[in-house]
Amino acid sequence: DADVTQTPRNRITKTGKRIMLECSQTKGHDRMYWYRQDPGLGLRLIYYSFDVKDINKGEISDGYSVSRQAQAKFSLSLESAIPNQTALYFCATSDPPGGASTDTQYFGPGTRLTVL
Amino acid sequence: DQQVKQNSPSLSVQEGRISILNCDYTNSMFDYFLWYKKYPAEGPTFLISISSIKDKNEDGRFTVFLNKSAKHLSLHIVPSQPGDSAVYFCAAKRGLSGNTPLVFGKGTRLSVIA
Repeated sequence: DADVTQTPRNRITKTGKRIMLECSQTKGHDRMYWYRQDPGLGLRLIYYSFDVKDINKGEISDGYSVSRQAQAKFSLSLESAIPNQTALYFCATSDPPGGASTDTQYFGPGTRLTVL
Repeated sequence: DQQVKQNSPSLSVQEGRISILNCDYTNSMFDYFLWYKKYPAEGPTFLISISSIKDKNEDGRFTVFLNKSAKHLSLHIVPSQPGDSAVYFCAAKRGLSGNTPLVFGKGTRLSVIA
């Protein structure tokens, strides 16, 4: 079984709809992240959470919100989707640095979202 | 303001030859650097990293070199194999022991031609 899972893997929706992307992990990591990937723009950080009570905005948080329901679950919501939110979305997890951990991030398989 | 730059969007290399992927950064506070590899329809996977206290780190066919004075790092793949064809992302972090997220470059697409 995959350590980091994302649902759905593909989603097509219409402008103005509310969308939730979900991420679950079995790695036992405290830290979770949401990124989007656009052609030619690389990976851009949307939100990140260093523990269940911690939520931080990333580089491009406008139009998005997140919820950290548990250590293992981190969901990303688009309250009112717009076409320029069409992208590939990745969830990632990491352990805080210390001991053998170097805060290396492990990514899920991605969700391809299309907003018409 | 792009803090991590991968100025070559793509690179083609013959199988068996060396692939050199470059990355430049502007933030002198970055002290930990990583390379990730991404295949189509998959998430990025960690490849190799280097701390600013080193100038070289090697793992099998993959070697990362860091030139702090030039704010430049490179990933060498020797010998290149067709399975290495992927998008490679450079990433940097400020303070390995701190609470700052990674900053990624835009990626370089490597094509290894058999």
